[in-house]
Order: sequence, then C-alpha cells, then structure tokens
Amino acid sequence: QSALTQPASVSGSPGQSITVSCTGTSSDIGADNYVSWYQQHPGKAPKLIIYAVTNRPSGVSNRFSGSKAGNTASLTISGLRAEDEADYYCSSYRRGGNLVFGGGTELTVL
Amino acid sequence: EVHLVESGGGLVKPGESLRLSCAASGFTFSNAWMTWVRQAPGKGLEWVGRVSAGGTTDHAAPAKGRFTISRDDSKNTLHLQMSSLETDDTGVYYCVREGYNYGYHSLDFWGQGSLVTVSS
Repeated sequence: QSALTQPASVSGSPGQSITVSCTGTSSDIGADNYVSWYQQHPGKAPKLIIYAVTNRPSGVSNRFSGSKAGNTASLTISGLRAEDEADYYCSSYRRGGNLVFGGGTELTVL
Repeated sequence: EVHLVESGGGLVKPGESLRLSCAASGFTFSNAWMTWVRQAPGKGLEWVGRVSAGGTTDHAAPAKGRFTISRDDSKNTLHLQMSSLETDDTGVYYCVREGYNYGYHSLDFWGQGSLVTVSS
C-alpha cells in the first residue's frame, strides 16, 4: 500500500480538463511544499512535470498545473490531448527524510 | 546534456547480492543529491534511498540493513549495493537526480533504469 493515495484511474475526452488528487498526512503533504508530480509513459522513465506544488519545469506545457489544500495535492491537466495518456505519480517529502509516492493514476484519453 | 546511465542489473537468486552503478555526466555531480527509485513490474514507484552532496544517506524501511547507497565523486558515479535479495526486490531501478534544478526533493532527471530480477 502506497504512502500517498491517488485514484487508480481517470479519463477524459480531448479538450476537456481532468484533476488527479493525492492525499497524504500532516507529516508529508501537509507539512511543507515539497510536492512533485511525474508523468510516465509505458516503458519509459518518469518525467518531472510539477515541483514545489505549483511550479512547472522548463519545457513543460502550461496545460499542467498543481495545487494543494491541507493534506491533499492535485494535478490538473487542461485541454487534454492524446499524448497526455500516461501514468501520473505524486510524491512528497515526509518529515524524517523519506520521499513518499502515490500509487499512480492511469489517465485514459477517450 | 545530462546523462544518467545505470548498469549492473540482471538475474540473481534469493539471498544473493548485486551492485548497481550509475554513471553521471553533463552536470556537477559532486553538488547533486542522488536518489534510487524502483518500480516492480506493473506497479508504482518506490523510493529506495538517497545520498546527499555531502555523503549523508537515507534509506527507505525495506532497504535498511540490506541496501547501501554510496557515491564516488572522483568518477561521477553512484552505487547501490544490494544484499540478501528477495523476490519482492524484483523491478526496474532508476538512478535519479534530486533537487538540483527545481527545488528540494524534486526528482528532476531520471536514468533509463536497470532491471533486477530475483528468482530461484
């Protein structure tokens, strides 16, 4: 069982927006702003798409956005495209030194 | 251009040992925190542990006492020494740079991964 809780799957049609939630505790997500999100296509290494809750690395589309409220972080993808179909993982620093991950969410673009 | 290239994976029997290495290039390795993340077949990501730029290590609970992370800054290389391997240790092991460009505890560059299979 993963330390952070994500829905197993979400889906949406091209052009729509979807949101993926990631729920932790006051010792990880709720403690600091060290929440990141990763995109992983089949057979590929994960790629950082959001860091420090709301920030996008250089080169990542502004269709990806992040937020946090209390112990829950969220990733929103707007204007869905076929190439967004992938697995998405959240992670957070946990007090004491560990990094923890969510179980992953499979996004299907219908 | 940043490169992280893992090596050393393969098939081992339960109880055996294996050492993974990760050759880094394209950035100042000695300034980087480096992390190992693994992924069991068809499963999610799991943090294994990290070594800071100063050499301090942290390990996840499943790895404590069995896995040792180390670095050789003279060779720009990260290592993961794994002992007493179990079937549950099977998976792809990624070498990852942590917090270098995009803030603390973000994993901003990943290697292609090295497959470790533990089976009798």
